[in-house]
Amino acid sequence: EPEVTQTPSHQVTQMGQEVILRCVPISNHLYFYWYRQILGQKVEFLVSFYNNEISEKSEIFDDQFSVERPDGSNFTLKIRSTKLEDSAMYFCASSARSVNTEAFFGQGTRLTVV
Amino acid sequence: AQKITQTQPGMFVQEKEAVTLDCTYDTSDPSYGLFWYKQPSSGEMIFLIYQGSYDQQNATEGRYSLNFQKARKSANLVISASQLGDSAMYFCAMIFTGGGNKLTFGTGTQLKVEL
Repeated sequence: EPEVTQTPSHQVTQMGQEVILRCVPISNHLYFYWYRQILGQKVEFLVSFYNNEISEKSEIFDDQFSVERPDGSNFTLKIRSTKLEDSAMYFCASSARSVNTEAFFGQGTRLTVV
Repeated sequence: AQKITQTQPGMFVQEKEAVTLDCTYDTSDPSYGLFWYKQPSSGEMIFLIYQGSYDQQNATEGRYSLNFQKARKSANLVISASQLGDSAMYFCAMIFTGGGNKLTFGTGTQLKVEL
């Protein structure tokens, strides 16, 4: 069964460093998302991406964040200068359509900023 | 503004019993979709079931069913014949046609299945 794949599963980084979280969405999906879950809290939307551009972003997704689809398969989230409060589980998701269809989630990348 | 509410932070159920996890929502958008996801302790998010706002029948997927009461704006998840492997966090989520294509999640319910 096709699945969304995220790497790495766990990343530890020093405050101020740049990190890139990688995702390979399901191959025939067109809509891609990043969500964040701070430990013990609910899942929060960060950004959605379609047709090689951001279609929507939340207030969390400030200038420190960027997304890219550098080739036909990868979808990346970059945090330019990490802060302690960026420590969270980051989920990539993809869907075949934009609405009223399930989004399939990757297994997540746990980012720890020290 | 759209909102999802899960009022049960934790629930216990005995193995083989049925359990209902509550979810209410608030939206003025006539077109929306409701989802339930399971998050085991390993952290991944597993899609369980989907209900569209215009669907006439309640959604079912194996042991999962969604008790959709549109007038009450509730979308409770019913798990029948609970198994130990059902112990996990369960999130209700919603997508709004007029709200772009993002999922809005509730705060989750931690379910523990006991022998």
